[in-house]
Amino acid sequence: GAVVSQHPSWVICKSGTSVKIECRSLDFQATTMFWYRQFPKQSLMLMATSNEGSKATYEQGVEKDKFLINHASLTLSTLTVTSAHPEDSSFYICSASEVGTRNTDTQYFGPGTRLTVL
Amino acid sequence: RKEVEQDPGPFNVPEGATVAFNCTYSNSASQSFFWYRQDCRKEPKLLMSVYSSGNEDGRFTAQLNRASQYISLLIRDSKLSDSATYLCVVVTSNDYKLSFGAGTTVTVRA
Repeated sequence: GAVVSQHPSWVICKSGTSVKIECRSLDFQATTMFWYRQFPKQSLMLMATSNEGSKATYEQGVEKDKFLINHASLTLSTLTVTSAHPEDSSFYICSASEVGTRNTDTQYFGPGTRLTVL
Repeated sequence: RKEVEQDPGPFNVPEGATVAFNCTYSNSASQSFFWYRQDCRKEPKLLMSVYSSGNEDGRFTAQLNRASQYISLLIRDSKLSDSATYLCVVVTSNDYKLSFGAGTTVTVRA
């Protein structure tokens, strides 16, 4: 089946630093990638939709200048958490939709990145 | 009101038991429904889609009640490996955005 990888799987950083998370579709091309955030015991919350070659679409309440998204190719999207603070500590998960598909159940999830900001 | 609501549980059941739980959604225009499974500190994985007529996949049965705006998941003959958090997912619009519930935790004990 389609595989999505994320790197790093976990990261600990100091407050004020920026952290980049990569999401890659390994064996398929992804027109659209989604970035989610999940706090403990809460649901996954969609942060933004990343479209290859165009600007990301951010959900209400998500600061686009703080969470920079770049989708430079059909297999790679990156999320950069700029000037991270302890409240940004969370589990960040990406998912990817395969080119040419329209069914939502073909959205493949990455293994997630656990970010801890000290 | 949250778009998707679930009883967080936990549902603690013995092996071999049947466990069932629901998920309610607020938008009557919701189009697609899914159950995902999430293990601790892992990504969610699609368990099954939910169809209007109800559908079964092995020991798992999903039902959709549009009139009352809820979906259900029933697990028969529970196995230890069924212990997980089950996420209800609803798609409302045509832009493929998934709305997740907070999950129902099921723990199957020996």
